[in-house]
Amino acid sequence: ETGVTQTPRHLVMGMTNKKSLKCEQHLGHNAMYWYKQSAKKPLELMFVYNFKEQTENNSVPSRFSPECPNSSHLFLHLHTLQPEDSALYLCASSQGEGESSEQFFGPGTRLTVL
Amino acid sequence: GQNIDQPTEMTATEGAIVQINCTYQTSGFNGLFWYQQHAGEAPTFLSYNVLDGLEEKGRFSSFLSRSKGYSYLLLKELQMKDSASYLCAVRDSNYQLIWGAGTKLIIKP
Repeated sequence: ETGVTQTPRHLVMGMTNKKSLKCEQHLGHNAMYWYKQSAKKPLELMFVYNFKEQTENNSVPSRFSPECPNSSHLFLHLHTLQPEDSALYLCASSQGEGESSEQFFGPGTRLTVL
Repeated sequence: GQNIDQPTEMTATEGAIVQINCTYQTSGFNGLFWYQQHAGEAPTFLSYNVLDGLEEKGRFSSFLSRSKGYSYLLLKELQMKDSASYLCAVRDSNYQLIWGAGTKLIIKP
């Protein structure tokens, strides 16, 4: 158990659905991240939150909407997704954003968009 | 642009040694990380290098040459459980992690 949990682990949704992914970290960290992992491609950083403030948004389409109500919880709200959005969505946390602070990952949500 | 290169797949024999290379071109450098990811699981941290040289941690070692933009992960006494993907990531001048696509390591008996 890594201390970072994600729900659901698997999600199948249609293009007109609205769903949310949830991430919770039990490590007392103050930075949280959303990544997209597609087969045979590098991890793509989507959003970064530090002390609940969004510090990074890597040109992510507006159909992905993050929410960070506190330092322990992170959500990714999904609406009108496209089939190419099917991927593994990973949440991670770290003590800070700098230097040697390693990131701890959750198990991911496997998303399929029909 | 920023780029991390590592081999797509490697095969090695149980009990042997394997070296996984990673080369990078990034805007600035603030450390290099190696992560292990078993199929269907979360990536887990293996090592961190910020100065040139070799960092040893049990059966795993990681090497860095900043002047060459090069790192490798060395795995000794390979075990079947080492079958996984190994991800190289570099922290750039903005302290963001730039990731490689990962190297899938297959261990054969």
